[in-house]
Amino acid sequence: GQSLEQPSEVTAVEGAIVQINCTYQTSGFYGLSWYQQHDGGAPTFLSYNALDGLEETGRFSSFLSRSDSYGYLLLQELQMKDSASYFCAVRDNNQAGTALIFGKGTTLSVSS
Amino acid sequence: NAGVTQTPKFQVLKTGQSMTLQCAQDMNHEYMSWYRQDPGMGLRLIHYSVGAGITDQGEVPNGYNVSRSTTEDFPLRLLSAAPSQTSVYFCASATDYNSPLHFGNGTRLTVT
Repeated sequence: GQSLEQPSEVTAVEGAIVQINCTYQTSGFYGLSWYQQHDGGAPTFLSYNALDGLEETGRFSSFLSRSDSYGYLLLQELQMKDSASYFCAVRDNNQAGTALIFGKGTTLSVSS
Repeated sequence: NAGVTQTPKFQVLKTGQSMTLQCAQDMNHEYMSWYRQDPGMGLRLIHYSVGAGITDQGEVPNGYNVSRSTTEDFPLRLLSAAPSQTSVYFCASATDYNSPLHFGNGTRLTVT
């Protein structure tokens, strides 16, 4: 089985930097993914880390430490449009790495 | 480019009724999956398929059936609707089980 833990809510102001943490427990590990979902919309893929270290995509970065079973999503130069829910996700080893299991999500509120 | 198309967008059912949620993708993706999303629960996997003719259960499969007769379509059947199945249902597809998911816009189902 697997489980993921992430904070339920995070608040920040425009222009700030925010970090959303995710800890996971899996019987195997096939990488950590992040998805963004705006209110009323569909989730969209943000990033994927299979190996330790930092992956950068514009204002967003994602970090992974496999030894700590821990990762985070870093959002820089926050904008109002970044207000959304953010989900970390891992593949389920029990099903041969074919099923993506999501955390419960972190709601980010950006204020001006 | 339609991507992943879900129909209907909204549906109200009475307890005990059956229905099929439709999902179609035009990206020739082998992998397709169904999730339900409830407040505070994140995205929970119902069923998934790694290719035509192959399906498997996810985290919360009870009360739902799926089939995958073609690469393009992956319908989700509710056999006898219950109020506990009130939720937002998302269909998602990917090139293969290791690739990022592309989500449809969701079906909002209410069972009374």
